[in-house]
Amino acid sequence: DADVTQTPRNRITKTGKRIMLECSQTKGHDRMYWYRQDPGLGLRLIYYSFDVKDINKGEISDGYSVSRQAQAKFSLSLESAIPNQTALYFCATRSSGQGANYGYTFGSGTRLTVV
Amino acid sequence: EDQVTQSPEALRLQEGESSSLNCSYTVSGLRGLFWYRQDPGKGPEFLFTLYSAGEEKEKERLKATLTKKESFLHITAPKPEDSATYLCAAGGGSNYKLTFGKGTLLTVNP
Repeated sequence: DADVTQTPRNRITKTGKRIMLECSQTKGHDRMYWYRQDPGLGLRLIYYSFDVKDINKGEISDGYSVSRQAQAKFSLSLESAIPNQTALYFCATRSSGQGANYGYTFGSGTRLTVV
Repeated sequence: EDQVTQSPEALRLQEGESSSLNCSYTVSGLRGLFWYRQDPGKGPEFLFTLYSAGEEKEKERLKATLTKKESFLHITAPKPEDSATYLCAAGGGSNYKLTFGKGTLLTVNP
Protein backbone atom coordinates (compact mmCIF):
# COMPACT_ATOMS: atom_id res chain seq x y z
CA ASP A 1 0.00 0.00 0.00
CA ALA A 2 1.10 3.54 -0.71
CA ASP A 3 2.37 5.67 2.17
CA VAL A 4 0.02 8.51 1.16
CA THR A 5 -3.28 7.53 -0.46
CA GLN A 6 -5.56 9.96 -2.21
CA THR A 7 -9.12 9.25 -3.28
CA PRO A 8 -10.60 9.54 -5.80
CA ARG A 9 -7.84 9.41 -8.45
CA ASN A 10 -10.05 11.12 -11.00
CA ARG A 11 -13.29 13.03 -10.65
CA ILE A 12 -15.52 15.00 -12.96
CA THR A 13 -18.09 17.20 -11.28
CA LYS A 14 -20.48 19.94 -12.25
CA THR A 15 -20.25 23.61 -11.40
CA GLY A 16 -21.84 24.36 -8.04
CA LYS A 17 -21.50 20.86 -6.63
CA ARG A 18 -19.79 20.14 -3.32
CA ILE A 19 -16.92 17.71 -3.55
CA MET A 20 -14.49 16.21 -1.05
CA LEU A 21 -11.02 14.91 -1.77
CA GLU A 22 -9.58 12.56 0.79
CA CYS A 23 -6.06 11.84 1.91
CA SER A 24 -4.82 9.21 4.34
CA GLN A 25 -1.26 8.34 5.33
CA THR A 26 0.45 5.45 7.03
CA LYS A 27 3.76 7.20 7.76
CA GLY A 28 2.75 8.48 11.18
CA HIS A 29 3.58 12.04 10.14
CA ASP A 30 2.04 14.93 12.04
CA ARG A 31 2.16 17.50 9.25
CA MET A 32 -0.12 17.31 6.21
CA TYR A 33 -0.54 19.61 3.22
CA TRP A 34 -2.82 20.14 0.24
CA TYR A 35 -1.39 21.52 -2.99
CA ARG A 36 -2.87 22.11 -6.41
CA GLN A 37 -0.86 21.88 -9.62
CA ASP A 38 -1.76 23.72 -12.79
CA PRO A 39 0.14 23.68 -16.08
CA GLY A 40 2.56 26.60 -16.14
CA LEU A 41 1.88 27.56 -12.52
CA GLY A 42 3.57 24.83 -10.55
CA LEU A 43 2.48 23.57 -7.14
CA ARG A 44 0.64 26.02 -4.91
CA LEU A 45 -0.23 25.51 -1.26
CA ILE A 46 -3.94 25.48 -0.38
CA TYR A 47 -4.00 24.48 3.31
CA TYR A 48 -1.68 22.84 5.78
CA SER A 49 -2.05 21.24 9.19
CA PHE A 50 0.59 20.66 11.83
CA ASP A 51 -1.68 18.48 13.97
CA VAL A 52 -5.37 17.74 14.42
CA LYS A 53 -6.06 21.08 16.09
CA ASP A 54 -3.72 23.24 14.02
CA ILE A 55 -4.96 24.13 10.53
CA ASN A 56 -3.63 27.01 8.47
CA LYS A 57 -4.45 28.69 5.18
CA GLY A 58 -1.96 28.57 2.36
CA GLU A 59 -1.56 31.01 -0.51
CA ILE A 60 -4.74 30.03 -2.40
CA SER A 61 -7.31 28.93 0.20
CA ASP A 62 -10.33 30.86 -1.14
CA GLY A 63 -13.08 28.46 -2.25
CA TYR A 64 -11.62 25.56 -0.28
CA SER A 65 -12.00 24.15 3.24
CA VAL A 66 -10.27 21.31 5.04
CA SER A 67 -10.86 18.88 7.86
CA ARG A 68 -8.22 16.98 9.84
CA GLN A 69 -10.28 14.06 11.11
CA ALA A 70 -7.33 12.25 12.66
CA GLN A 71 -3.57 12.45 12.52
CA ALA A 72 -3.65 10.17 9.49
CA LYS A 73 -6.52 11.83 7.58
CA PHE A 74 -6.80 15.23 5.96
CA SER A 75 -9.69 16.07 3.62
CA LEU A 76 -10.07 18.94 1.18
CA SER A 77 -13.53 20.22 0.26
CA LEU A 78 -14.73 22.43 -2.53
CA GLU A 79 -18.01 23.83 -1.21
CA SER A 80 -19.28 25.00 -4.60
CA ALA A 81 -16.98 23.87 -7.40
CA ILE A 82 -16.16 26.25 -10.24
CA PRO A 83 -14.36 25.50 -13.54
CA ASN A 84 -11.15 27.30 -12.56
CA GLN A 85 -10.73 24.76 -9.77
CA THR A 86 -9.99 22.17 -12.45
CA ALA A 87 -6.49 20.98 -11.55
CA LEU A 88 -4.35 18.18 -10.20
CA TYR A 89 -4.53 18.07 -6.39
CA PHE A 90 -1.80 16.60 -4.21
CA CYS A 91 -1.69 15.72 -0.56
CA ALA A 92 1.72 15.63 1.13
CA THR A 93 3.00 14.71 4.57
CA ARG A 94 6.09 15.40 6.66
CA SER A 95 7.20 14.67 10.17
CA SER A 96 8.19 17.62 12.34
CA GLY A 97 10.71 15.32 13.97
CA GLN A 98 12.63 14.72 10.78
CA GLY A 99 15.70 16.62 9.86
CA ALA A 100 16.08 18.74 6.78
CA ASN A 101 17.25 15.73 4.78
CA TYR A 102 13.69 14.46 4.52
CA GLY A 103 11.37 16.06 2.04
CA TYR A 104 7.64 15.83 1.83
CA THR A 105 6.02 12.54 0.82
CA PHE A 106 3.39 13.11 -1.83
CA GLY A 107 0.34 11.10 -2.79
CA SER A 108 -0.38 10.16 -6.40
CA GLY A 109 -2.80 13.00 -6.86
CA THR A 110 -6.47 13.56 -7.70
CA ARG A 111 -7.30 14.90 -11.14
CA LEU A 112 -10.40 17.07 -10.74
CA THR A 113 -12.38 18.43 -13.65
CA VAL A 114 -15.20 20.89 -13.05
CA VAL A 115 -17.59 21.26 -16.01
CA GLU B 1 7.45 37.16 -0.87
CA ASP B 2 9.30 33.88 -1.37
CA GLN B 3 10.08 33.03 -5.00
CA VAL B 4 11.60 30.09 -6.80
CA THR B 5 12.40 30.27 -10.52
CA GLN B 6 13.53 27.32 -12.61
CA SER B 7 15.18 27.37 -16.00
CA PRO B 8 14.94 26.25 -18.67
CA GLU B 9 11.23 25.38 -18.81
CA ALA B 10 12.03 22.44 -21.09
CA LEU B 11 15.25 20.70 -22.08
CA ARG B 12 15.79 18.08 -24.71
CA LEU B 13 18.99 16.00 -24.56
CA GLN B 14 20.43 13.11 -26.44
CA GLU B 15 21.30 10.05 -24.37
CA GLY B 16 24.74 10.62 -22.87
CA GLU B 17 24.64 14.41 -23.30
CA SER B 18 25.29 15.98 -19.88
CA SER B 19 23.63 19.24 -18.82
CA SER B 20 22.39 21.25 -15.85
CA LEU B 21 19.07 22.58 -14.60
CA ASN B 22 18.94 25.85 -12.70
CA CYS B 23 16.87 26.92 -9.69
CA SER B 24 17.20 30.45 -8.38
CA TYR B 25 15.47 31.35 -5.13
CA THR B 26 14.56 34.25 -2.89
CA VAL B 27 13.43 32.89 0.46
CA SER B 28 13.47 34.42 3.90
CA GLY B 29 15.34 32.22 6.31
CA LEU B 30 16.10 29.32 3.97
CA ARG B 31 15.98 26.06 5.86
CA GLY B 32 16.22 23.65 2.97
CA LEU B 33 16.36 23.51 -0.84
CA PHE B 34 14.63 20.46 -2.23
CA TRP B 35 14.73 18.70 -5.58
CA TYR B 36 11.92 16.42 -6.71
CA ARG B 37 11.30 14.29 -9.77
CA GLN B 38 7.76 14.06 -11.15
CA ASP B 39 6.60 11.54 -13.75
CA PRO B 40 3.39 12.16 -15.71
CA GLY B 41 0.27 11.47 -13.66
CA LYS B 42 2.24 10.86 -10.47
CA GLY B 43 3.14 12.78 -7.36
CA PRO B 44 6.56 14.37 -6.92
CA GLU B 45 9.26 12.00 -5.69
CA PHE B 46 11.87 13.34 -3.28
CA LEU B 47 15.46 13.40 -4.57
CA PHE B 48 17.64 15.69 -2.44
CA THR B 49 17.70 18.32 0.27
CA LEU B 50 20.50 20.90 0.46
CA TYR B 51 20.62 23.40 3.30
CA SER B 52 23.90 25.24 3.20
CA ALA B 53 25.86 26.97 0.44
CA GLY B 54 28.60 24.76 -0.92
CA GLU B 55 26.78 21.56 -0.16
CA GLU B 56 26.56 18.87 -2.83
CA LYS B 57 24.60 15.63 -2.99
CA GLU B 58 24.68 12.83 -5.56
CA LYS B 59 22.40 10.03 -6.59
CA GLU B 60 23.26 7.90 -9.59
CA ARG B 61 23.56 10.30 -12.56
CA LEU B 62 22.26 13.31 -10.62
CA LYS B 63 24.21 15.80 -8.55
CA ALA B 64 22.66 18.79 -6.79
CA THR B 65 24.65 21.82 -5.67
CA LEU B 66 23.72 24.94 -3.73
CA THR B 67 24.92 28.54 -3.58
CA LYS B 68 23.41 31.44 -1.64
CA LYS B 69 21.11 32.30 -4.55
CA GLU B 70 20.91 29.24 -6.79
CA SER B 71 20.85 25.51 -6.95
CA PHE B 72 21.87 23.36 -9.88
CA LEU B 73 20.87 19.84 -10.77
CA HIS B 74 23.61 18.35 -12.91
CA ILE B 75 22.72 15.34 -15.02
CA THR B 76 25.68 13.29 -16.21
CA ALA B 77 25.32 10.95 -19.20
CA PRO B 78 21.52 10.88 -18.96
CA LYS B 79 19.42 7.93 -20.07
CA PRO B 80 15.88 7.95 -21.48
CA GLU B 81 14.55 6.83 -18.09
CA ASP B 82 15.73 10.15 -16.64
CA SER B 83 13.00 11.88 -18.65
CA ALA B 84 10.66 13.60 -16.19
CA THR B 85 9.78 17.00 -14.79
CA TYR B 86 12.26 18.13 -12.15
CA LEU B 87 10.90 20.41 -9.46
CA CYS B 88 12.85 22.66 -7.14
CA ALA B 89 11.37 23.88 -3.85
CA ALA B 90 12.64 26.12 -1.09
CA GLY B 91 11.58 25.67 2.52
CA GLY B 92 11.78 28.69 4.76
CA GLY B 93 10.44 30.50 7.77
CA SER B 94 9.27 29.14 11.08
CA ASN B 95 6.54 27.08 9.41
CA TYR B 96 8.93 25.42 6.97
CA LYS B 97 6.50 25.80 4.08
CA LEU B 98 7.75 24.83 0.65
CA THR B 99 7.61 27.25 -2.27
CA PHE B 100 7.88 25.39 -5.56
CA GLY B 101 9.26 26.43 -8.92
CA LYS B 102 7.31 25.62 -12.08
CA GLY B 103 9.64 22.79 -13.01
CA THR B 104 11.89 21.80 -15.91
CA LEU B 105 10.58 19.18 -18.31
CA LEU B 106 13.54 17.01 -19.27
CA THR B 107 13.34 14.73 -22.29
CA VAL B 108 16.23 12.38 -23.04
CA ASN B 109 16.14 10.85 -26.49
CA PRO B 110 17.78 7.47 -27.16
